[in-house]
Amino acid sequence: DTVLTQSPALAVSPGERVSISCRASEGVNSYMHWYQQKPGQQPKLLIYKASNLASGVPARFSGSGSGTDFTLTIDPVEADDTATYFCQQSWNDPWTFGGGTKLELK
Amino acid sequence: QVTLKESGPGILQPSQTLSLTCTFSGFSLSTYGMGVGWIRQPSGKGLEWLANIWWDDDKYYNPSLKNRLTISKDTSNNQAFLKITNVDTADTATYYCARIDYYDGSHWFAYWGQGTLVTVSS
Repeated sequence: DTVLTQSPALAVSPGERVSISCRASEGVNSYMHWYQQKPGQQPKLLIYKASNLASGVPARFSGSGSGTDFTLTIDPVEADDTATYFCQQSWNDPWTFGGGTKLELK
Repeated sequence: QVTLKESGPGILQPSQTLSLTCTFSGFSLSTYGMGVGWIRQPSGKGLEWLANIWWDDDKYYNPSLKNRLTISKDTSNNQAFLKITNVDTADTATYYCARIDYYDGSHWFAYWGQGTLVTVSS
């Protein structure tokens, strides 16, 4: 299976820029997607196919990368962005998710 | 407006069969390219993809659970189903269904239900 590795947690101050990384154990082309999950809620799609902003998602969110290294960037971070962020690949079977990065605001 | 809602038994005993229903609106599983997937999440942990079903009744399963999973659909009633046989405490999780969107060969989970908590306990 393709293992997606994310840093467990990050802490940033409002107004700063934050980059959340996701590294795949093997190439996934550009078939990487990002989700935001707030406590007690279902995941929400942010970015699809590495760099495409999902409908209704603020332009503060952006995605980049291809192959094995991907980044979700939030600039500037707002208090409402406190959440866990998951990456997910759909290039290799089975589809897999990263372990999630918990973003906390200082 | 796309919505999905999961329903399940809430609690069941080890070795029983878990039956989950996803009732959706705003799209049809008979539309070319459309798909629905099931994903689960143990409390405080990460997400695990389980299975997908497509408009043409094609089905894909996570090999780690494949022998225990059965996914199906009822297009007329806008529902998708997942059965997991011989459950164990390790199957305790929130189960989500999600609509699968696609573009340029890639697929992702675009819309998610609110999830249904399933507890396996004796």
